[in-house]
Formats: sequence, structure tokens, C-alpha cells
Amino acid sequence: AQSVTQPDIHITVSEGASLELRCNYSYGATPYLFWYVQSPGQGLQLLLKYFSGDTLVQGIKGFEAEFKRSQSSFNLRKPSVHWSDAAEYFCAVGGPNAGKSTFGDGTTLTVKP
Amino acid sequence: DTAVSQTPKYLVTQMGNDKSIKCEQNLGHDTMYWYKQDSKKFLKIMFSYNNKELIINETVPNRFSPKSPDKAHLNLHINSLELGDSAVYFCASSQDRSLAEFFGPGTRLTVL
Repeated sequence: AQSVTQPDIHITVSEGASLELRCNYSYGATPYLFWYVQSPGQGLQLLLKYFSGDTLVQGIKGFEAEFKRSQSSFNLRKPSVHWSDAAEYFCAVGGPNAGKSTFGDGTTLTVKP
Repeated sequence: DTAVSQTPKYLVTQMGNDKSIKCEQNLGHDTMYWYKQDSKKFLKIMFSYNNKELIINETVPNRFSPKSPDKAHLNLHINSLELGDSAVYFCASSQDRSLAEFFGPGTRLTVL
């Protein structure tokens, strides 16, 4: 069965510091991997996606993620965090049909001034 | 222009009632979805609907049924509401069947 683990429930970083959010997955074939962000009281926004090809994926808002097959990981990074990045972040894994996708439990990001 | 809209934003109802949530997308996408987010923020896909093909998450009770009058709309109908149905329900759409790309603002359903 497929699964997604986001090991960090809550992360706090200072504004301007770098950020890495961890995501580990289990999937029986080549996975489709996604990161979403959810601001308080809002719907989700897709940050980036990986299907195949280059393992370093660039997304919106200055985020990037790296697919590492050997580690079953798809960690999200940002070199310099802004206060507006404070939100809930979800990693998801699936295949060609989103109906079979699975979300992680989310990581709450707090940004200190 | 709102890409994916849902109505109502809040829905409070009694156990046993039947209710519907409406969703519309103006992006011309072929695939629409319904997601449930519970009080602990756990997200689960309920349905995806593409060109009249419905993919149902096997864990979704058959009290839940999606209804699509046309490509731009995917409404969610819930029969015999239960306390455990209380959650935020998100509609989403995409052109690509592999992921939900645009989400609506959500409908917070409270069952009393």
C-alpha cells in the first residue's frame, strides 16, 4: 500500500533562514509526487510536482524539491523564508490517476520575525 | 475571476438530513475532485471525475454521491448525515488527471 510520511509535525524558522521540509513515501512503482501549501482558512495551492525527468523540481514562490529514489524522499526547500510562507504544507504521492493519491499528515511552518 | 468556487461556505445541519454542496470551475478543466479534510487536517481524496468516468475512493460511504450536470460542475450530495461527516470539503479541478491543481475555498460542514 502506498503511504506518505512527513516526520516533522511542526517547524519554526526565522525569517530569512533556509527551510527544508521532509517527505518520505512508499509506492510500488515510479511515483508522482506533489507538494501543496494551505494558508489558514484557505484551500490548497499546488507548489510543485514531479512526474519524471530532472530530479530537482522548481515550483512557485521560490520553492524547490528534490526526488531521491534511493531514499524514497521528496524534500521541499526554500533558501530564504518570508513571513508569508507560514502555513501548512502537504506532501502527496500517487500515480497517473489522482483518485489514487495519498497525502501526508502535513507540516505546520511558523516563521519568527 | 474565481477559478474554483464552492457554495455554501458554511453548512450546519442536523444528523439524518440530506445536503448538497455545489462546485463550479471556470478553467475548462476535464477533471474535478472532492476532498475531505478532518479536524486534524488530514486530507483524503473522495472522488475524481473525468469525462463521465468516476473514480471512487473505496473508503467513502455510499451515502456520498457526486453529481456532474456538465463538465464545469461537480456537486456533492450527502444522504443521512452523521456526526463523523463534520469536516471541510474541498472541490478541485485539473486538466491533468494525475493531480488536483486548483482548489476551491472549502465548505465547512458541521453536523449536530
